[in-house]
Amino acid sequence: AQTVTQSQPEMSVQEAETVTLSCTYDTSENNYYLFWYKQPPSRQMILVIRQEAYKQQNATENRFSVNFQKAAKSFSLKISDSQLGDTAMYFCAFMKPSGAGSYQLTFGKGTKLSVIP
Amino acid sequence: NAGVTQTPKFQVLKTGQSMTLQCAQDMNHEYMSWYRQDPGMGLRLIHYSVGAGITDQGEVPNGYNVSRSTTEDFPLRLLSAAPSQTSVYFCASSDTGRAPLHFGNGTRLTVT
Repeated sequence: AQTVTQSQPEMSVQEAETVTLSCTYDTSENNYYLFWYKQPPSRQMILVIRQEAYKQQNATENRFSVNFQKAAKSFSLKISDSQLGDTAMYFCAFMKPSGAGSYQLTFGKGTKLSVIP
Repeated sequence: NAGVTQTPKFQVLKTGQSMTLQCAQDMNHEYMSWYRQDPGMGLRLIHYSVGAGITDQGEVPNGYNVSRSTTEDFPLRLLSAAPSQTSVYFCASSDTGRAPLHFGNGTRLTVT
């Protein structure tokens, strides 16, 4: 079974600064997908970024980027130029791509990020 | 295109009551699933379906039933509600094993 660990229950960052959220995972799979989801106070789950394990290049989406270290099983999220709208819970998630357990996301417990004006 | 629609948004039940949480998607996704979110626990998978007529258990299935008679709908039934089922419930769908999940807006359920 896969496990996902987010070691930072809460973090804060000044507006316009950069922050990195940590995520580690444990799996015996070689091919898989990793995701970061954002959950603002509205409760909606919003996909932030996605990484395929077979890709060496780190995924980026505007101000959001990841540092994917496959050997270390680490998948951190960097938010640059933090904005007040980035205040939310952030969840790291793992998914197998096929076979038993595919389509199923295993989530970490989340990191609550507060952006301070 | 509404995406994934969950109803109701909020519900209060008494212990022992039954109810059904509704989930519908209009994206023709084969895969649908139910998660529950509890403080400090992240989201945990309750049940999932890889297509009409096919369902299976996730990590925390006890106390919940599902069925998938159509591609669009995937209701979650609580047969006899317990306070331990107080949670926020999310329905999600996906079209392939490589695609991210699309989530509904959640149902906050309180069992007293």
